[in-house]
Amino acid sequence: EVRLVESGGGLVQPGGSLRLSCAASGFPFRNYAMAWVRQAPGKGLEWVSTIRGSGDITYYADSVKGRFTISRDNSKNTLYLQMNGLRAGDTAIYYCATESGPGDLFDYWGQGTLVTVSS
Amino acid sequence: DIQMTQSPSSVSASVGDRVTITCRASQAISSYLAWYQQKPGKAPKLLIFAASILQSGVPSRFSGSGSGTDFTLTISSLHLEDLATYYCQQADSFPLTFGGGTKVEIK
Repeated sequence: EVRLVESGGGLVQPGGSLRLSCAASGFPFRNYAMAWVRQAPGKGLEWVSTIRGSGDITYYADSVKGRFTISRDNSKNTLYLQMNGLRAGDTAIYYCATESGPGDLFDYWGQGTLVTVSS
Repeated sequence: DIQMTQSPSSVSASVGDRVTITCRASQAISSYLAWYQQKPGKAPKLLIFAASILQSGVPSRFSGSGSGTDFTLTISSLHLEDLATYYCQQADSFPLTFGGGTKVEIK
C-alpha cells in the first residue's frame, strides 16, 4: 500500500524559512517522480514543484521559483521542500504526491501539512 | 502557461441525477488530462487519467471524455458519497495547472 506522510508544517513569520518532509513507503520510491501541490484555505489546487526519480531534474511554479527548493533522499525514501522567504500568500496545506504518466499527473497523495505565514 | 477553465463552479443535484462537468484547456493538450475528487477535509484522489481511463477502484458511474481542448467528467447516477469538489488538471506540460474546481452538492 502506497503511503505518503508529510511533516514540518507550522506557523512562521513572513520572511522566515521552513522545511517540509514527506516519508514514502509501499512503492519503489527512486523510480517515481514526486511533487508538492498546495491548497490555500478555501481555494483550489496549485502545483508547486516536481522532482524526477533520480533527483537531477526539477521544475518549479513561477510563484515559488528562487525561494523554494525541492530535493529527495532516495536512501531514506523521503521528499523535501525547503521554503525560504515565506510570504502570507504561501499559507496553504502542502501535499506531497507521486507523479506518473501518461504526462505528469498525481496518482497518490499524502494527507497534507499546514503552513501558516503570519506575524 | 496552459489555463484550465472548469464549469460550472458549483452544481446542486439529486441522488440518481446525471451530473456533467466540463473543462477547457487554453491550448491543445491531446488526452493529457486528469480528474480528481476532493471530499471535504481530505486530500484529493485521482479519478480519471488520460482523459477517459478510470483509476483502479473508481466506481463505473464516473466517466471521462474529450481530447484536444474540451473535456467532460460525467457522473451517470449521483450518489450521496459523491459530495465533493472535482478538479481537472492538464498533464501535458510544465507548469502543471488545475481548473478552478466544481463543487457538487446534493439537493
